[in-house]
Amino acid sequence: DADVTQTPRNRITKTGKRIMLECSQTKGHDRMYWYRQDPGLGLQLIYYSFDVKDINKGEISDGYSVSRQAQAKFSLSLESAIPNQTALYFCATSDSGVNTGELFFGEGSRLTVL
Amino acid sequence: GENVEQHPSTLSVQEGDSAVIKCTYSDSASNYFPWYKQELGKRPQLIIDIRSNVGEKKDQRIAVTLNKTAKHFSLHITETQPEDSAVYFCAGNSGGSNYKLTFGKGTLLTVNP
Repeated sequence: DADVTQTPRNRITKTGKRIMLECSQTKGHDRMYWYRQDPGLGLQLIYYSFDVKDINKGEISDGYSVSRQAQAKFSLSLESAIPNQTALYFCATSDSGVNTGELFFGEGSRLTVL
Repeated sequence: GENVEQHPSTLSVQEGDSAVIKCTYSDSASNYFPWYKQELGKRPQLIIDIRSNVGEKKDQRIAVTLNKTAKHFSLHITETQPEDSAVYFCAGNSGGSNYKLTFGKGTLLTVNP
């Protein structure tokens, strides 16, 4: 089945380290997103991309950067991780070619910054 | 930008009862309101959505209602079952686009057998 795959699924790191979370999809969707989930805070948009040449900041982009290496790949980087970036991160995709905004989420990457 | 508020944050019901979760939004340009369900340890998945040109939409035991004038929309689950236990998120699209969603903070629904 076509899916959205995130790696790593779990990561523990130390303050100041550089971390990359990777996302790949086989759905053929053009739009990709990175969300952050904290308990009691819902899902907050970090960055989104409509194609390989288009990158946009979301609500909480400070401290994060992204790279859209191909239509199917969208990576999130934390240049210098800090403890309050400890969270569950979700990659998601959507298809601009259909009249729906449905997001398809990956399984999530749990990041702990010590 | 869009602000979506969701209530209650937790809801406990007995199996077979109905559950209602309410959301309000601030952006009058918003015209798409999806609901996502996230089971424990799983990814969020779309369960139902509504556009502003309709007032109600049903899918088996779940329904969503929209009041554009009051800027609020609600999720209704009837005949609840234990497998309905999950966190439910509402969302609205910022500026009327279908690609930039603002989510509510979620409601933890527990259905007691």
